[in-house]
Amino acid sequence: NAGVTQTPKFRVLKTGQSMTLLCAQDMNHEYMYWYRQDPGMGLRLIHYSVGEGTTAKGEVPDGYNVSRLKKQNFLLGLESAAPSQTSVYFCASNMLGGNTEAFFGQGTRLTVV
Amino acid sequence: AQSVTQLGSHVSVSEGALVLLRCNYSSSVPPYLFWYVQYPNQGLQLLLKYTTGATLVKGINGFEAEFKKSETSFHLTKPSAHMSDAAEYFCAVSDNGNNRLAFGKGNQVVVIP
Repeated sequence: NAGVTQTPKFRVLKTGQSMTLLCAQDMNHEYMYWYRQDPGMGLRLIHYSVGEGTTAKGEVPDGYNVSRLKKQNFLLGLESAAPSQTSVYFCASNMLGGNTEAFFGQGTRLTVV
Repeated sequence: AQSVTQLGSHVSVSEGALVLLRCNYSSSVPPYLFWYVQYPNQGLQLLLKYTTGATLVKGINGFEAEFKKSETSFHLTKPSAHMSDAAEYFCAVSDNGNNRLAFGKGNQVVVIP
């Protein structure tokens, strides 16, 4: 059982380049999330989705776009990368209900130079 | 809006000593509370959670936490630290009307032999 899988695991981008991070879950979860983790800042929510075809902004959405065309996949896009987007990105998913456990991917370490 | 406060970004504890990580939350409705652990270069995994019922919650690896509504706290403890407990620990809150987790800034635990 794979759980939540993120690709790629590492990436280096030049300022202004674009890229897409892919998150896939095989648990039939309704909810999916993208977080970024920075030292001393904890995890901050970028965007989230409450179901196929829906997306919503989180705490720090600027500079990112997302899409959820299929229930099992949640894509995070950077249209024009900036050094401030250097971070570790985590995808997570869970079932409906605020009391349910969120399952996390292994993370993507992105460096923008 | 929900929020979580974790004081002391780095916590050093001697092997065999008590581990105590403090978490205070802010929520306008009855909260669901979680502790997650992150080992180096990995995603987050659930240690324990409080939803309803018994306020003392036991989790994996000998950790436990107690929900104290009057103090708006959910402190994490382990009686005897082990070297394998070296990791980063995050407290998080959600509620019945809000599937999204709000995380604290985390505690990096170092275990001293």
